[in-house]
Amino acid sequence: GQQVMQIPQYQHVQEGEDFTTYCNSSTTLSNIQWYKQRPGGHPVFLIQLVKSGEVKKQKRLTFQFGEAKKNSSLHITATQTTDVGTYFCAGPNHTGTASKLTFGTGTRLQVTL
Amino acid sequence: DAGVIQSPRHEVTEMGQEVTLRCKPISGHNSLFWYRQTMMRGLELLIYFNNNVPIDDSGMPEDRFSAKMPNASFSTLKIQPSEPRDSAVYFCASSLFLSDYNEQFFGPGTRLTVL
Repeated sequence: GQQVMQIPQYQHVQEGEDFTTYCNSSTTLSNIQWYKQRPGGHPVFLIQLVKSGEVKKQKRLTFQFGEAKKNSSLHITATQTTDVGTYFCAGPNHTGTASKLTFGTGTRLQVTL
Repeated sequence: DAGVIQSPRHEVTEMGQEVTLRCKPISGHNSLFWYRQTMMRGLELLIYFNNNVPIDDSGMPEDRFSAKMPNASFSTLKIQPSEPRDSAVYFCASSLFLSDYNEQFFGPGTRLTVL
């Protein structure tokens, strides 16, 4: 079945440093979604990328979808303590009339002053 | 607009007891998902429904787990009998399946502890 892996599993940075998490799928994806889960919270949707090579920005966050639509990355510039949490990528798996998401293994980000 | 509602938020029970988790999806959404999250196994999809019909239950760990969706506004996940290894956070999520756009909205989760 479809597998989605993320690296690194964990990263600890000083506030102000940059951070990148990478996502790789075993199959070609029609789109990729990113979610953020704060400690003790639930996953919250951040963004969806659809086109090959697409790049989208949300303030300090930059999301990229690979040309082959099998990988993606999330880059955070100048991290802040509010960026703490686990970041998940997720790829859809359609059955025709319905769709589920396969979530990646997640990257936990810790930011300290 | 209320988001996905789950109850209870916390549940502590003893091994062998029956546990029922409840979920109310966002009104108008046609897909509902049950996930389990643990440190060891991450976020696992247990089962999902589309238009109240179970589509894929391949993630349900064993026969002790069952899920129902009697109508578009309510779903339950039942564990009978419960075991300590079932301790986890259980999330319910809903979405409106529209072709390729299917953002999922998660509830706050139920933290289950089986002693």
